Amino acid sequence: DAGVTQSPTHLIKTRGQQVTLRCSPKSGHDTVSWYQQALGQGPQFIFQYYEEEERQRGNFPDRFSGHQFPNYSSELNVNALLLGDSALYLCASNVRNTEAFFGQGTRLTVV
Amino acid sequence: GENVEQHPSTLSVQEGDSAVIKCTYSDSASNYFPWYKQELGKRPQLIIDIRSNVGEKKDQRIAVTLNKTAKHFSLHITETQPEDSAVYFCAASRGAAGNKLTFGGGTRVLVKP
Repeated sequence: DAGVTQSPTHLIKTRGQQVTLRCSPKSGHDTVSWYQQALGQGPQFIFQYYEEEERQRGNFPDRFSGHQFPNYSSELNVNALLLGDSALYLCASNVRNTEAFFGQGTRLTVV
Repeated sequence: GENVEQHPSTLSVQEGDSAVIKCTYSDSASNYFPWYKQELGKRPQLIIDIRSNVGEKKDQRIAVTLNKTAKHFSLHITETQPEDSAVYFCAASRGAAGNKLTFGGGTRVLVKP
């Protein structure tokens, strides 16, 4: 079992561009959550997807959007990138009332 | 919304000594409190968690205590080893374990041999 896999591992984008990050959940998991972790800080919840719908959302602007596919994988899209969007983006998956299992993240740098 | 404060931000201990990290939360409806360990460049890994119907939970050298009245919980690591060096995060959430987690700011623990 590969656990939660995220791609790409690193990414450099220019201000104003758009980015798509991808996540494959751990085998057997059906719920995917996305977190943003700025350097030296704790992860901040962006949103959660279950049954292809956004179920919960954190305090992030509409520039952050997502999608979940029928195979439970998920994408995080960020439009109109700002320098402040530079962070480690973590994906976590779980099923029912089990703990969140995190991937290794995608390091996004906006220049 | 929920707010989780974590102290200290850095902690240096001698190998074999104990380490204690404390967190406070603001939402009295929170009932699930996990602790994650994150080594440099690696994913956060769950090391222990506790639900609000339990006051203490122990797993080998790691223990967590919860005081719901005071809205604080603590992580205790005994007999620390160099491999315990990492950043530790506390978190809180309502309802199911997989729900939205609100994290503390993290504690960088350094265990000196």
